Amino acid sequence: AQSVTQLDSQVPVFEEAPVELRCNYSSSVSVYLFWYVQYPNQGLQLLLKYLSGSTLVKGINGFEAEFNKSQTSFHLRKPSVHISDTAEYFCAVSDPQAGTALIFGKGTTLSVSS
Amino acid sequence: DTGVSQNPRHKITKRGQNVTFRCDPISEHNRLYWYRQTLGQGPEFLTYFQNEAQLEKSRLLSDRFSAERPKGSFSTLEIQRTEQGDSAMYLCASSGGQYNEQFFGPGTRLTVL
Repeated sequence: AQSVTQLDSQVPVFEEAPVELRCNYSSSVSVYLFWYVQYPNQGLQLLLKYLSGSTLVKGINGFEAEFNKSQTSFHLRKPSVHISDTAEYFCAVSDPQAGTALIFGKGTTLSVSS
Repeated sequence: DTGVSQNPRHKITKRGQNVTFRCDPISEHNRLYWYRQTLGQGPEFLTYFQNEAQLEKSRLLSDRFSAERPKGSFSTLEIQRTEQGDSAMYLCASSGGQYNEQFFGPGTRLTVL
């Protein structure tokens, strides 16, 4: 069964600093990969996705992620964070077809302070 | 299109009572999913519908849980004889097209006293 490991449960950073949130998944076969953001008491918003093609994926709010098949990783990066980026971030993996469950990591809390 | 909606947003109930949640997916999406999220955890898959057919159920979905999507549009999730361990956020998602992008609603937070 697929699994996702988010290596850091909490990441504190200062405003305008770069940040990387790490994600590793278990399967070495083809997968779809996603990053979602969750603000307090809200649902999940899709940040970006890797389906196929270019390994560098750009998403909303200035975030990007790089798919590394050999290391089974999909780390999320932003060159300069804002206070408003403070939220919970979830990495998810699924089989490469529609209609399959997303398997989520436990999440990383990003706290941006001034 | 306003996205996926869920009602109610919050539900407080006493142990042993039945509760029902509703999810309205994005209108053109034929696939609908339910997930449960407990504090400090990522969402966990409960069940999946394609149109009105329930195609997959997780082992997390005990006999007390039932989900329906009678006309392939909105869906309901019912929990019978609630237990304190059922306290969680229940999330609904929908998707369409050939890929597996899932769009989530705001969730229903259930508190069982």
